[in-house]
Amino acid sequence: QVQLRESGPGLVKPSQTLSLTCTVSGGSINSDNYYWTWVRQPAGKGLEWIGRIFSGVSTLYNPSLKSRVTISADTSKSQFSLQLNSVTAADTAIYYCARLRWGSGAFDFWGQGTAVTVSS
Amino acid sequence: QSALTQPASVSGSPGQSITLSCAGSSNDIGDHNYVSWYQQHPGKAPKLMIYDVSNRPSGVSNRFSGSKSGNTASLTIAGLQAEDEADYYCSSYTSSSTIYVFGPGTKVTVL
Repeated sequence: QVQLRESGPGLVKPSQTLSLTCTVSGGSINSDNYYWTWVRQPAGKGLEWIGRIFSGVSTLYNPSLKSRVTISADTSKSQFSLQLNSVTAADTAIYYCARLRWGSGAFDFWGQGTAVTVSS
Repeated sequence: QSALTQPASVSGSPGQSITLSCAGSSNDIGDHNYVSWYQQHPGKAPKLMIYDVSNRPSGVSNRFSGSKSGNTASLTIAGLQAEDEADYYCSSYTSSSTIYVFGPGTKVTVL
């Protein structure tokens, strides 16, 4: 059974960089069958797809965040990471990592989510 | 602003069937079958309920079913139960921008 777990600071100051890591167990992030993705959810609001990484190197980002986002992977640690630059209060949200099946629209496994607040 | 449209709320009595809609466009729902549905209880992560329009993951009750007609996808919950009370989100791949989008969510209330 695949498990994902997010980790990182719960508080980030405005204009700084948000950095989160997702640790995957029970599956390989090198697999050609899955994308590894980040999704966020502001309190009381809907889900927003941030981006994904495939085969440890190929990335694709939501155009609305593209200029500020970097997703990278450390396959030796079975981890992938999210960096979001120049954060504002609008970036306050619960951040989820999730697995997306290649050739499908299925986000089939999710982490439990980590809350990040942007505030001075 | 979401590219997909969902009703804010739907309610039903125990045992009834309800259908949730997810309206998109020819760039997303109408263009392919990468449509999925997620159930989210308060304080929990989303859970995949339906993928690729009508496929049910292992372990998901067969009371949940999905379909699509044109640019609109639907999730039907049959035999409504108290545990079905949650938020439900649809998602679709968008071929025009090669990203995934989610609907704003529908709150299901069991009366």
